[in-house]
Parts: sequence; structure tokens; C-alpha cells
Amino acid sequence: DAGITQSPRHKVTETGTPVTLRCHQTENHRYMYWYRQDPGHGLRLIHYSYGVKDTDKGEVSDGYSVSRSKTEDFLLTLESATSSQTSVYFCAISESGLGGTAYFGPGTRLTVT
Amino acid sequence: KQEVTQIPAALSVPEGENLVLNCSFTDSAIYNLQWFRQDPGKGLTSLLLIQSSQREQTSGRLNASLDKSSGRSTLYIAASQPGDSATYLCAVTAFGNEKLTFGTGTRLTIIP
Repeated sequence: DAGITQSPRHKVTETGTPVTLRCHQTENHRYMYWYRQDPGHGLRLIHYSYGVKDTDKGEVSDGYSVSRSKTEDFLLTLESATSSQTSVYFCAISESGLGGTAYFGPGTRLTVT
Repeated sequence: KQEVTQIPAALSVPEGENLVLNCSFTDSAIYNLQWFRQDPGKGLTSLLLIQSSQREQTSGRLNASLDKSSGRSTLYIAASQPGDSATYLCAVTAFGNEKLTFGTGTRLTIIP
């Protein structure tokens, strides 16, 4: 299995609070992604990174920001959590953004009350 | 905008049967297509990756085919087992776009 961990694995937070999720990889892969998974919507891309300090938006980026200061770490921040951001968040990595297999982390279940 | 569809959303078959899962996509200008498996409460596990120049890929009892011109892919599972029960998702990467677009998945149940 690819070395991808996510922390925390579960979190309950209140509306309006900031939340940061962490993805850590040991594979030295260039590309890292944050997805959210919701019933009826499947997985949707939030943000992705194609290198240290190089990031871009996905299809559902509003209300989220990301940072990548090291190859191995990709942080997702909910600036002011809302109930609509209750979801399961998955991190993924890929050696090559276009040609390579994507490997997924175990997910973080976030509940915003 | 690329859209990926998987029908049916759920499928139940008796153990031992061969089965086919379907995936269709609207834009045929793809770089590759991947099939994933997801167990309840878990992350996704990559099963097969088909490059746009390939027609099929095989891994054990799994065979995935790709027909770019018609915008379709199938995942064939031979001699199904209860351990194959999971949700299967397909995802495409479009040319010039370093992102995966996912279908909503087919939840497969193998009945012992």
C-alpha cells in the first residue's frame, strides 16, 4: 500500500470555526489532491498540488484553501466551517498527474454542527 | 465539462457468476481511465489503469476494456466471490487536465 496518512481521521467542529486537515505521504510523489465524497455527488476535486508551493483549484474550491510547503505534506483548511462542508475528505497522490495511478488515503470524516 | 456515469448504481449477483460493470464518459479526449474499489468506510484502491492508446487491461479475475470513440469502459469480474462486494468507481483524466473526474460508482453485492 502507498504510504499515505490523513489526520485527524474523525472530527466534529462547530459552524464558523477554522479546520485544518493534514495529508502526509512517504512516496515522494509530485502530485497531491484533496477530494470530498458526498452521497449522490461522488468524489469531487477541491484543490490539487503539482509541486511544493504549486497549487490549483478544483471544481469545489470555494471556502477551502491549501498549502504545500514540503513534498510530503498537503494541508487543507476550511477557513470558516459550514454545515455544507460536512463530508468525507480524501487525499490522493500520483507520481505523474496525467499518466500515473492515483493512490488514496483512508479519509477524514468531518462533521460540522 | 467531462461527465462520467456509472449504471446501475447498485447490483446484486450470486457468487460464482461473471459480471460486467459499466462506465461512460462524455468527452472522448481522455488520457487514461482508472477503475477503483472502495470498501465501506475506507479509501479507494486502484484496480486497473488503461491508457488511451490501450484497449484493455487485465489483473487476475478483472478485465477492463476501453472504447474511447464511444466513450465507454467496462470492468469484467470473473467467477465473483463475496469478497468482491464493494463499490466500484471509474475515473478519467482528460488531456491537458491533471485531474481525475469520477463517476458515482456501482455498489456491488455478491450473494453467497
